Amino acid sequence: EVQLVESGGGLVKPGGSLRLSCAASGFTFSTYTLNWVRQAPGKGLEWISSISPTTNNIYYADSVKGRFTISRDNAKKSLFLQMNSLRAEDTAVYYCAREGLQFREDPYYFDYWGQGTLVTVSS
Amino acid sequence: DAVMTQIPLSLSVTPGQPASISCKSSQSLLYSDGKTYLYWYLQKPGQSPQLLIYEVSNRFSGVPDRFSGSGSGTDFTLKISRVEAEDVGVYYCMQSIQLPITFGQGTRLEIK
Repeated sequence: EVQLVESGGGLVKPGGSLRLSCAASGFTFSTYTLNWVRQAPGKGLEWISSISPTTNNIYYADSVKGRFTISRDNAKKSLFLQMNSLRAEDTAVYYCAREGLQFREDPYYFDYWGQGTLVTVSS
Repeated sequence: DAVMTQIPLSLSVTPGQPASISCKSSQSLLYSDGKTYLYWYLQKPGQSPQLLIYEVSNRFSGVPDRFSGSGSGTDFTLKISRVEAEDVGVYYCMQSIQLPITFGQGTRLEIK
């Protein structure tokens, strides 16, 4: 069974930093592109970043480019999101999501999602 | 960015009746490989989004056959042939023909 479990969310002040983690199990982690998708309270879904299996391809939404860094550790089957210079508008539930197609280098769709971790940016 | 527009934003349906959601893209989602990069998700209350339909009309594993997707180019539709109570939630269309991947605003389905 595919499982994705996010952690690391919490309350942080504007300008602060936070590192999210996503622990994966139930599939061959090193062969899938992984993604972060967020959802502000009461709002819709926003894709923010993806990373290919070998980390050759990394993409960011403009809203987080230069502030967030995605990374992965294939040996530990873990995905990360380092978030710096946080703003109030970064307040959201952050989901880890697996690419639907194995061995793809770019994101196309998300077949499995974690339960999400809430990040609140407030003074 | 490709803008995805869903209509309606909410609908209330009697159990057993059909429902339909429209999704229009600001650009064609048909790629040169012949695939159309349009997907549908359902986010049930308090849950993560779940994949319903991929590439316009293919049901994901375990999705009931009362869900169907259709369309081409820029216009797409998700249909539920007979709504059940468990279908409550917010439905999103999504495109991935270009980055950034974008979602529609969501359509909230409630049961009458």
